[in-house]
Amino acid sequence: EAGVAQSPRYKIIEKRQSVAFWCNPISGHATLYWYQQILGQGPKLLIQFQNNGVVDDSQLPKDRFSAERLKGVDSTLKIQPAKLEDSAVYLCASSLIPDQHTDTQYFGPGTRLTVL
Amino acid sequence: AQSVTQLGSHVSVSEGALVLLRCNYSSSVPPYLFWYVQYPNQGLQLLLKYTSAATLVKGINGFEAEFKKSETSFHLTKPSAHMSDAAEYFCAVINNAGNMLTFGGGTRLMVKP
Repeated sequence: EAGVAQSPRYKIIEKRQSVAFWCNPISGHATLYWYQQILGQGPKLLIQFQNNGVVDDSQLPKDRFSAERLKGVDSTLKIQPAKLEDSAVYLCASSLIPDQHTDTQYFGPGTRLTVL
Repeated sequence: AQSVTQLGSHVSVSEGALVLLRCNYSSSVPPYLFWYVQYPNQGLQLLLKYTSAATLVKGINGFEAEFKKSETSFHLTKPSAHMSDAAEYFCAVINNAGNMLTFGGGTRLMVKP
């Protein structure tokens, strides 16, 4: 079974530029998550989708971050414009069963963003 | 509100020694608790989870954790460390009142030969 795929693996940009990350979850998984992991910290949830609808985006900085999951499969996360403090690893995860809080989340390898 | 605190950002053990990684939680309702492991340049992988069934939970790679409500703890243990256990370990909590998995700050485990 293929895992969660993410691209690119690494990205370096200058502040005020824009950047986009892509995630393809495990086939058939209804729920998709985007996390931000700053160096030395645990992952923090940015947004959660169930199929193509947003379940929780309370921690997404909506003035600069946006995400979509068209057709309920893959997803993109965009930052525009980027700030220095956005330097982090952006992790995508997916889980199979909708509305099941204890369902295992499967994580991709992440995209490491460096903002100069 | 819910949160987890992992005591010790770095833990070093000798190969063959007991591994003990500490996690304490705070939750206003009964929690579900998880331990994830992250190897360098990889995503997180689930080690084990507590979902209100047995309080002693066995996971992959010989790890286990015990849910202790009186101590609000969910410490991770392994009887004998292997070099391959060197990684970062994250404790996480979710409760039935919400759908957000909240992670601790992580503990980096180093295993000395």
